[in-house]
Amino acid sequence: GAVVSQHPSWVICKSGTSVKIECRSLDFQATTMFWYRQFPKQSLMLMATSNEGSKATYEQGVEKDKFLINHASLTLSTLTVTSAHPEDSSFYICSARGELVVEESSYNEQFFGPGTRLTVL
Amino acid sequence: DAKTTQPNSMESNEEEPVHLPCNHSTISGTDYIHWYRQLPSQGPEYVIHGLTSNVNNRMASLAIAEDRKSSTLILHRATLRDAAVYYCILSRGGSNYKLTFGKGTLLTVNP
Repeated sequence: GAVVSQHPSWVICKSGTSVKIECRSLDFQATTMFWYRQFPKQSLMLMATSNEGSKATYEQGVEKDKFLINHASLTLSTLTVTSAHPEDSSFYICSARGELVVEESSYNEQFFGPGTRLTVL
Repeated sequence: DAKTTQPNSMESNEEEPVHLPCNHSTISGTDYIHWYRQLPSQGPEYVIHGLTSNVNNRMASLAIAEDRKSSTLILHRATLRDAAVYYCILSRGGSNYKLTFGKGTLLTVNP
């Protein structure tokens, strides 16, 4: 399957600072990437859908001015948590739509990054 | 999106088969059935997906009921590395392709 990386894998920051998380599709081009957030012992919650060259589409309840998403190329999307506060501490996971080939048939599937653990002090 | 229902947890012994059930009684004709799994502190990993016919790959098999209102993920020989949360997700094909994660099933594999 396709490989998606995230950087950094973990980050600790002070309250009020901004943090940028990168998501890269390493061996394929992704016109669509997704950003999720996962709190401890909870499931993944979709935050936004990021399309290359256009504005991201945010899910209801997600502040677009706080979680800035940029998808400037077909292999890179970034999520910036602005003015982070302790309640923003979470596991942030990105995914990218890529082609999956199974027995000569091609499908589009989502491939996930390893996640970024954000801790805001 | 149509909802899925999974047991909160299941337990298995190593090297035995595991059948993870999923109910999706409100599935529509264009919904694909996806299975992902998530190991602790990692991003989800694609396992398998299908539409109507049963599917096999190197990781697992997917058995889909004839009326498509339920499906079962089959791990043929569980290993300790299969211990994870398994998510059954329905998604429409095409450009509007979002995955909505439920609580999934926590699979424990006993040595």
